[in-house]
Amino acid sequence: DTGVSQNPRHKITKRGQNVTFRCDPISEHNRLYWYRQTLGQGPEFLTYFQNEAQLEKSRLLSDRFSAERPKGSFSTLEIQRTEQGDSAMYLCASSSGTGSEKLFFGSGTQLSVL
Amino acid sequence: GQNIDQPTEMTATEGAIVQINCTYQTSGFNGLFWYQQHAGEAPTFLSYNVLDGLEEKGRFSSFLSRSKGYSYLLLKELQMKDSASYLCAVRGRTGGSYIPTFGRGTSLIVHP
Repeated sequence: DTGVSQNPRHKITKRGQNVTFRCDPISEHNRLYWYRQTLGQGPEFLTYFQNEAQLEKSRLLSDRFSAERPKGSFSTLEIQRTEQGDSAMYLCASSSGTGSEKLFFGSGTQLSVL
Repeated sequence: GQNIDQPTEMTATEGAIVQINCTYQTSGFNGLFWYQQHAGEAPTFLSYNVLDGLEEKGRFSSFLSRSKGYSYLLLKELQMKDSASYLCAVRGRTGGSYIPTFGRGTSLIVHP
């Protein structure tokens, strides 16, 4: 069990550019979540996968955001035409789908849009 | 939708006891979590309640009353390393799934 891995740890980009983040969940976990967190706030739900199926997507999520989880393993989150308001920590979490279904979080990707 | 309320900040003295409250409104309640988050790090799991009552785990305990939409996290014998943000998260119905929704977190400052 190597934990949830996210890459890159930091990303600095210019407004209007596209960015993609990757998340590798704990291998036996079939549930994967993306959250966004800004300073002084709790994590805000973005989207949820069960295996390869994207089952939920926040209504607050702009259509500039897209996520995939091919083959039910790693996941990618892409933001197109980034805006300064997209600057945040993007957290990925996974759970086993059994018991308490507690979330295991990755260390996150800190995005700064200049 | 979900609505979660917890205090923004609390301070306490090393060795003391502190109680962090969380009130919530949700559709389709399916469990409440407490997470600890140190600055610049990812949240880590502390406790889980799905039935009414108290769950104790070492220096940390968590209580749930579903009828009141209320939970608290109790931290005993506070240590300096307990200075962190404490996040209350409620798993409720979002669309066809149960998704954890987080409060804004309570920043706990422990001083000597």
